[in-house]
Amino acid sequence: EPEVTQTPSHQVTQMGQEVILRCVPISNHLYFYWYRQILGQKVEFLVSFYNNEISEKSEIFDDQFSVERPDGSNFTLKIRSTKLEDSAMYFCASRKDIYYEQYFGPGTRLTVT
Amino acid sequence: SQKIEQNSEALNIQEGKTATLTCNYTNYSPAYLQWYRQDPGRGPVFLLLIRENEKEKRKERLKVTFDTTLKQSLFHITASQPADSATYLCALENKAGGTSYGKLTFGQGTILTVHP
Repeated sequence: EPEVTQTPSHQVTQMGQEVILRCVPISNHLYFYWYRQILGQKVEFLVSFYNNEISEKSEIFDDQFSVERPDGSNFTLKIRSTKLEDSAMYFCASRKDIYYEQYFGPGTRLTVT
Repeated sequence: SQKIEQNSEALNIQEGKTATLTCNYTNYSPAYLQWYRQDPGRGPVFLLLIRENEKEKRKERLKVTFDTTLKQSLFHITASQPADSATYLCALENKAGGTSYGKLTFGQGTILTVHP
């Protein structure tokens, strides 16, 4: 069964450094997402991506964040200058079409020291 | 303000019983509601999706109901097993405001423990 994959599973970085989190969505899916979950808190929406552009983003998704689909299979989230409060699990998700279920990856645990 | 509340933080039941989890929402017009399972340190796993015009949906031992008048969804696991122990999340996509691109808003989750 197809699944969303994410790398790395755990990333440790120093405050102020740039990180890139990578995702491979399910191959015939059209909509892509990033969510995050701070330890003990709710899963929060960051950004949605459709037709090679951002379709919606949350207040969390400020100028330090960017997304890209560089080659038709990968979907990346870049944080330009990490802060301590960026420490969280980051989940990539994808779905086939509008009003279909979303499938989540296993997550990348980002630790900013 | 908009809220999604799962009204039990934790639910403990005996193996073989039916677990019933509740998800209430205010100030949303959901196009659909989804239920996910999340194990510690893992990503949410999709279980069931129910659309606004559907009252009930079943999949094996799982059943979801959706009452848009009460603004509530109930999630049932029948003949529960210790392997069902996990956090269960409800999530909805709001249709209000035009084209939806799939932003999901999650509840805080209910931790279900099934005792042998």
